[in-house]
Amino acid sequence: GAGVSQSPSNKVTEKGKDVELRCDPISGHTALYWYRQRLGQGLEFLIYFQGNSAPDKSGLPSDRFSAERTGESVSTLTIQRTQQEDSAVYLCASSFSGMSGDTQYFGPGTRLTVL
Amino acid sequence: AQKITQTQPGMFVQEKEAVTLDCTYDTSDPSYGLFWYKQPSSGEMIFLIYQGSYDQQNATEGRYSLNFQKARKSANLVISASQLGDSAMYFCAMREVTASKLTFGTGTRLQVTL
Repeated sequence: GAGVSQSPSNKVTEKGKDVELRCDPISGHTALYWYRQRLGQGLEFLIYFQGNSAPDKSGLPSDRFSAERTGESVSTLTIQRTQQEDSAVYLCASSFSGMSGDTQYFGPGTRLTVL
Repeated sequence: AQKITQTQPGMFVQEKEAVTLDCTYDTSDPSYGLFWYKQPSSGEMIFLIYQGSYDQQNATEGRYSLNFQKARKSANLVISASQLGDSAMYFCAMREVTASKLTFGTGTRLQVTL
């Protein structure tokens, strides 16, 4: 079956512009996660959606970052007034449930470059 | 707070040899899961293997095995019979049962040579 898909694969924007990143999870997966990976570093958690529960936004670095998810489908991560330090690869993952033992399957990521 | 440490920034191994990638973790939660992911140069994170904190036996998946030493809080990845295609970044990650997120280490870059 299809894996996690993300679009766009690459995004170049100017400082101060808003960007929207999209994630399509694996069908039937109730949990969805966003992570950020800066060059040469590990992944940093941003936000977690589980079913209809309130999302865990504890990893969002500032109020310029927000994310939405409609039901158990597509999610959108929005970064407003982008800054150069926002340049990174943004990875989305999904899992069957939100339980700790469930494997998170990752998409190919969106590489964001802020000029 | 949960923390993952990978002390080997880079490793070399000859083709067909075995290699061990180190991972130690810190948590106060008695229930947690440990994961290893592979990230080739293409950038995608590929799940390799999982170990639950209450699992009695070390996890194995094909050429991958996890050397889980709970008392020492270590979860080393062993790759047997290395192949050129194993060249990649390898990340250890942990998720506590009370947490939403995976916490990742900084990764180990493995280079398989002829």
